[in-house]
Order: sequence, then structure tokens, then C-alpha cells
Amino acid sequence: EDKVVQSPLSLVVHEGDTVTLNCSYEVTNFRSLLWYKQEKKAPTFLFMLTSSGIEKKSGRLSSILDKKELFSILNITATQTGDSAIYLCAVNNYGQNFVFGPGTRLSVLP
Amino acid sequence: GAGVSQSPSNKVTEKGKDVELRCDPISGHTALYWYRQSLGQGLEFLIYFQGNSAPDKSGLPSDRFSAERTGGSVSTLTIQRTQQEDSAVYLCASSVGLLGQETQYFGPGTRLLVL
Repeated sequence: EDKVVQSPLSLVVHEGDTVTLNCSYEVTNFRSLLWYKQEKKAPTFLFMLTSSGIEKKSGRLSSILDKKELFSILNITATQTGDSAIYLCAVNNYGQNFVFGPGTRLSVLP
Repeated sequence: GAGVSQSPSNKVTEKGKDVELRCDPISGHTALYWYRQSLGQGLEFLIYFQGNSAPDKSGLPSDRFSAERTGGSVSTLTIQRTQQEDSAVYLCASSVGLLGQETQYFGPGTRLLVL
């Protein structure tokens, strides 16, 4: 059965800290891994990763995929209170299905 | 240009009634997705439309759920004989083309409450 596991499920940090969010997966016919940020109802797409070892970066956020070890990390440097959200990891397979993890709830305190 | 829009934004219904949720994707986007997020749960994929191809319905939780996409644009998700466990936020997203290859743009969602 395809599954996605995220850790930690909850994290509280202070502004300026660096955080690393983890996502591991088991999926048949892996196609891509996606990260989302969800603050209210609709998640915001962050990154899509398809190749191992290639870091994707957007401002203070970066992510990398390891297809051999079946995991991805999402790094956020110099965190701000606006980074507080649930970060979702999902994998997509060639069967056109998505499997989502439970999310990591990040709270950044001032 | 306008983003993905969904209507209604909130819907309260009684158990056993049918509901229709609407999604207007970004103009020109050929791919459209429906998701569901229940309280405390992860985002759940429901159905995917790509152009004129037959939709992938493998994520629909039961035969009470159906969706259609008319003219390759607007999509309607219908839930028949609603149950309390159907209460969730229903999210629609669209993208330019091939699944997994494009950024997905999400609508604001429809919050459904079944009493």
C-alpha cells in the first residue's frame, strides 16, 4: 500500500531558527514528490521534485529528494512567523494518484 | 488573470441530501483535480480530469460521489445522499497540462458541513 510519512508532526520554533521537515514514502511507480504549505483552506504549491540530489530553492525554502532512500526534506532558514502553517508532502505515481502525508504543523514564535 | 474559483464557499446540508460543488479552473488549464481535506486529516485526492480523456476516478471514496467536467472547463462534484463523514473542505486545483509536471493552482475550497 502506498504511503507517505512526515516527521515531526508538530514543531515549535522561534523566529530566526532553521527547520528541517522530513517526508518518507513508499509508492509504486513513483513519478514526483510535492511539497505544499497550507495556512487556511487551500494548500499552496511549493516544490515538485522528480530527480534525486537536485536541490530546489525558493527564497528561504529549499528541498531535495533522495529516490534511493525514498525521502525528501524541506528546509526553511531564518524562519518568520509567517512561515507558521501545515506543510504537506505528497507523492504522485504514474497511475495518476496522489498520496498525501499527514502534514507537519510548524509554529514559529516571535 | 483570475485564479481557480469555487462555489459555494460554504455549504451546510442535512444528512441524506444531495450537494453540488462547482469549480472554475484557470482559463486554458487542461488539468483539473478535486481534493478533500477532513479535519485533522491529510489532503485526499479524489478525481483528476485531463483534457478530453476519461477521468481518473480512483480516489472517489464511494459511489455516492461523482464529478463531471463540461466543455473541458467547469467541473461539478456531486455528493448524493450526504453523510456526516462527508463533512470536509473540498478543494479544486488546475494546472496547465500533464499531471505531475505542472504547478497546481488551488481554489479557495468549499467547506461542506453535513448535519
